[in-house]
Amino acid sequence: QKEVEQDPGPLSVPEGAIVSLNCTYSNSAFQYFMWYRQYSRKGPELLMYTYSSGNKEDGRFTAQVDKSSKYISLFIRDSQPSDSATYLCAMSRNNRLAFGKGNQVVVIP
Amino acid sequence: GAGVSQSPSNKVTEKGKDVELRCDPISGHTALYWYRQRLGQGLEFLIYFQGNSAPDKSGLPSDRFSAERTGESVSTLTIQRTQQEDSAVYLCASSSQGDSGNTIYFGEGSWLTVV
Repeated sequence: QKEVEQDPGPLSVPEGAIVSLNCTYSNSAFQYFMWYRQYSRKGPELLMYTYSSGNKEDGRFTAQVDKSSKYISLFIRDSQPSDSATYLCAMSRNNRLAFGKGNQVVVIP
Repeated sequence: GAGVSQSPSNKVTEKGKDVELRCDPISGHTALYWYRQRLGQGLEFLIYFQGNSAPDKSGLPSDRFSAERTGESVSTLTIQRTQQEDSAVYLCASSSQGDSGNTIYFGEGSWLTVV
């Protein structure tokens, strides 16, 4: 079993819809939970960061962590074409990040 | 510089040749990471440098891969006798702390194609 599981299937949504992404993990030692956004042929950029169970909001983005279920989610409200990118979940322990495979999201105008 | 700088941005090499990839971290960042990302895959940890401590090389996939860092500055990742499966983007990241994910900044990557 991989440390971090993220269904890589592409996701197409109409502009204005809510995008819902999630990851599961197996190692309870993970301390920090992140979502990165990666545009085509660019490096990943940090989108959301949290270290505790619960919700964290930043504008149109909400990150959710459920440590008891080892499950994290990212929600994007009022999605825009500029949100079209690959979204990678990541978890941190012992000075290294473990990444999911990433979800390619396409927001159709 | 303002961000993590990597060079070359693109490299096409013949199978069996050696390649060297360079990373300039953000000034003052003590931690430096190398990751590999194959097409359609997540990021695979390769190596981690923290200050003057011994690097964590546990992610290097074979002895053809090596990396060096001089102090808290430039790092080079060397791949010897390249194979086609080495084709990937090699991402460098740096951090001011090295103990969490909230201050890790990535470069744009070096896109390696082995033909």
